[in-house]
Amino acid sequence: QLQLQESGSGLVKPTQTLSLTCAVSGDSISSGDFSWNWIRQPPGRGLEWIGYFYHTGSTYYNPSLKSRVTISADRSKNQFSLNLNSMTAADTAVYFCARGRQLWTHPFFDYWGQGAAVTVSS
Amino acid sequence: DIQMTQSPSSLSAFVGDRVTITCRASQSVSTYLNWYQQKPGKAPKVLIYASSTLQSGVPSRFSASGSGTDFTLAISSLEPEDFATYYCQQTYDIPWTFGQGTKVEIK
Repeated sequence: QLQLQESGSGLVKPTQTLSLTCAVSGDSISSGDFSWNWIRQPPGRGLEWIGYFYHTGSTYYNPSLKSRVTISADRSKNQFSLNLNSMTAADTAVYFCARGRQLWTHPFFDYWGQGAAVTVSS
Repeated sequence: DIQMTQSPSSLSAFVGDRVTITCRASQSVSTYLNWYQQKPGKAPKVLIYASSTLQSGVPSRFSASGSGTDFTLAISSLEPEDFATYYCQQTYDIPWTFGQGTKVEIK
């Protein structure tokens, strides 16, 4: 059974950089036709896709965050990471990692981590 | 960005009721439309992908249809565990975007 687990800084000061890691167990992030995604959800609000790392090594980001975000992978540790710089209060959210799967070319998120709550405050 | 608009934003229903939620895209997304269920404090769970395909393990009381810009999620007979928030998501174009959610509450 695939499992994803987020870890990282839960409290970040304004202007600083958020660093989160998603550890994957039960499958390799290098195998199969999967994307490895970050999604966030501000308190009481909806979901926002941040971006993904594809198993080939390519990355795609939400244009609204592209100038501040980096998603990378450590294949040796079977994990992928999110860095988001220049944090503001608007970045306060629960951050989820998720696996993206494609069936008949249709992507969707089939496995999710439990989420990591991140607060931006001085 | 493709904007996804769900209606209603919330609804109240009895156990056993049939419920429908609609999702409208600001431009055609073909059948690149997914539905997720989220319970408080939990990660979303995929119910439907590719507009109408039931994810493995999801009860058959859930169904969905649509293509282009208009989509519908139906729950044929609400069970107590179905009270949650439902989101549609388009994966036709990057950035992938979600609807604002529909909260289904107990009447």
